[in-house]
Amino acid sequence: DADVTQTPRNRITKTGKRIMLECSQTKGHDRMYWYRQDPGLGLQLIYYSFDVKDINKGEISDGYSVSRQAQAKFSLSLESAIPNQTALYFCATSDHDRDSSYEQYFGPGTRLTVT
Amino acid sequence: QQPVQSPQAVILREGEDAVINCSSSKALYSVHWYRQKHGEAPIFLMILLKGGEQKGHDKISASFNEKKQQSSLYLTASQLSYSGTYFCGTETAATDSWGKLQFGAGTQVVVTP
Repeated sequence: DADVTQTPRNRITKTGKRIMLECSQTKGHDRMYWYRQDPGLGLQLIYYSFDVKDINKGEISDGYSVSRQAQAKFSLSLESAIPNQTALYFCATSDHDRDSSYEQYFGPGTRLTVT
Repeated sequence: QQPVQSPQAVILREGEDAVINCSSSKALYSVHWYRQKHGEAPIFLMILLKGGEQKGHDKISASFNEKKQQSSLYLTASQLSYSGTYFCGTETAATDSWGKLQFGAGTQVVVTP
């Protein structure tokens, strides 16, 4: 089984609809992240969470909200979807300590289309 | 401000070498490198930390110039499997930035037979 899973994998929705993307991990990591990737561009950080009670905005949080339901689960919501939120969304997790930096493990991605 | 990667794209023949560069305007704590195949998740390649520590795959080499805030990834004797888009992610030295990465726009690498 995959260490980081995302559901749904593909979603088409209409402008104004509320949509939730879910992420689950079995790696036991405290840190989880949501990224957005537009065609030909890098990854932009939407929100990140360093533990269940620590949630922070990233570079492009406007129009998005998150919920960290448990150590293993981190959900991203679009309250009222708009067409320019059409993108590929990735969840990622990482280990941590104060003295080093750790690789991020990415989920398979959710391709979201807003019409 | 995101790090700047160069070149934007490179085409190689199998067996040739290439260098991908990543440059930041901020003091860096670490530089991460990832490779992404089209439509797939980015896959970790290497981390280079301030102070010289490196973590990653044995077959990938990279350098980190802390004074210049620059990192380079070296693709040596390229194989077809090296094709993909390479991203650097930078973690700045500011304490409120630990654990967060800013990614460059990517370098597309195509290796041909």
